[in-house]
Amino acid sequence: DSGVTQTPKHLITATGQRVTLRCSPRSGDLSVYWYQQSLDQGLQFLIQYYNGEERAKGNILERFSAQQFPDLHSELNLSSLELGDSALYFCASSPTNGRGGDTQYFGPGTRLTVL
Amino acid sequence: AQTVTQSQPEMSVQEAETVTLSCTYDTSESNYYLFWYKQPPSRQMILVIRQEAYKQQNATENRFSVNFQKAAKSFSLKISDSQLGDTAMYFCAFMVSGTYKYIFGTGTRLKVLA
Repeated sequence: DSGVTQTPKHLITATGQRVTLRCSPRSGDLSVYWYQQSLDQGLQFLIQYYNGEERAKGNILERFSAQQFPDLHSELNLSSLELGDSALYFCASSPTNGRGGDTQYFGPGTRLTVL
Repeated sequence: AQTVTQSQPEMSVQEAETVTLSCTYDTSESNYYLFWYKQPPSRQMILVIRQEAYKQQNATENRFSVNFQKAAKSFSLKISDSQLGDTAMYFCAFMVSGTYKYIFGTGTRLKVLA
């Protein structure tokens, strides 16, 4: 158990809908990272937050957005869902802003299925 | 742009034997970090081992060790005394110092055979 929690574990929804994925980082960690893993693919970095502020963006679609709250939990919002958005979404956390090569600890992931 | 290549999509090894998974990367940076993560069927991403590029000594964690060849930009993972529980997808990841994100390879699926 990495100490990172993600809810829900599974999510099934329809095209065009909007969903919210939630992540709670390890106690004391200030950075949260979101990754997308499509079927049998490596992980693609989406976005990072550090202490409430967006720090880095990767291959995140405009239909997706995220935020980190004062209690440091984070939410990833996916809207106007398409079939291709079906994937495993991971949240990871690290103690600092990540620039020093922090090890990132991953949550169990949320499996999103868009029908 | 930095890239990570894992050239072995699938591998198998007999229980108790040793296996080596390869990883190469491309970067012009001199300060960076390398990681191996394991993803078992549960899909959880579990850190196996970490290496700082400025350290010449190869990292070791119990049965797991790396062969880090900085000039060749190679970072292979050796698993000794393979166990059935080692069956998983293994991802090599790279992070340039001062940046925020991992760059992952496409993974090697390892199956340990009884």
